[in-house]
Amino acid sequence: KNQVEQSPQSLIILEGKNCTLQCNYTVSPFSNLRWYKQDTGRGPVSLTIMTFSENTKSNGRYTATLDADTKQSSLHITASQLSDSASYICVVSDRGSTLGRLYFGRGTQLTVWP
Amino acid sequence: EADIYQTPRYLVIGTGKKITLECSQTMGHDKMYWYQQDPGMELHLIHYSYGVNSTEKGDLSSESTVSRIRTEHFPLTLESARPSHTSQYLCASSMQGQNTGELFFGEGSRLTVL
Repeated sequence: KNQVEQSPQSLIILEGKNCTLQCNYTVSPFSNLRWYKQDTGRGPVSLTIMTFSENTKSNGRYTATLDADTKQSSLHITASQLSDSASYICVVSDRGSTLGRLYFGRGTQLTVWP
Repeated sequence: EADIYQTPRYLVIGTGKKITLECSQTMGHDKMYWYQQDPGMELHLIHYSYGVNSTEKGDLSSESTVSRIRTEHFPLTLESARPSHTSQYLCASSMQGQNTGELFFGEGSRLTVL
């Protein structure tokens, strides 16, 4: 069964600290993996998209890694800011065609305290 | 910033009412989608369209219907709302298919049916 599991479910950190969010998937075949940031009450915003051949991609203070062999991805946030408080969603696509579908994780709720 | 707009942002209505959630995008994307999201849960695709006069049901069964008469407009309609329809509805669009290209989401419409 194709699934995307994220951990932890929620996380609280102090402003300025780093953190790492995890995503494990069983989706096969694999096409790409995305990380989205969703602020409370808003729509998700794309942070990174990685294909099979990419094992790391950065977007400012966000760095995503992908290990396609172990089917794991992580999102590392450096020097956290209050505005990083949001839900971070891992999404995996099963093939690069219009016949494919997206599998969404339930997200990690990150809270950054001052 | 994505040019995709949803109205209303919040709607509280009584059981049995007909409602339409509006979604418009100005990016010229052929492909548009409706997702449903409950608190703490993953997004589920309920409808999609690959162009004018093209609509398909998504992975999650829904009593809602959609239409695509113009490229930029993809409204969702519930003929008779019930409390089980209470949820957040997210509209999205993409240049390529949802599983290959980047998805751009609207801000969402939060529906509460009493």
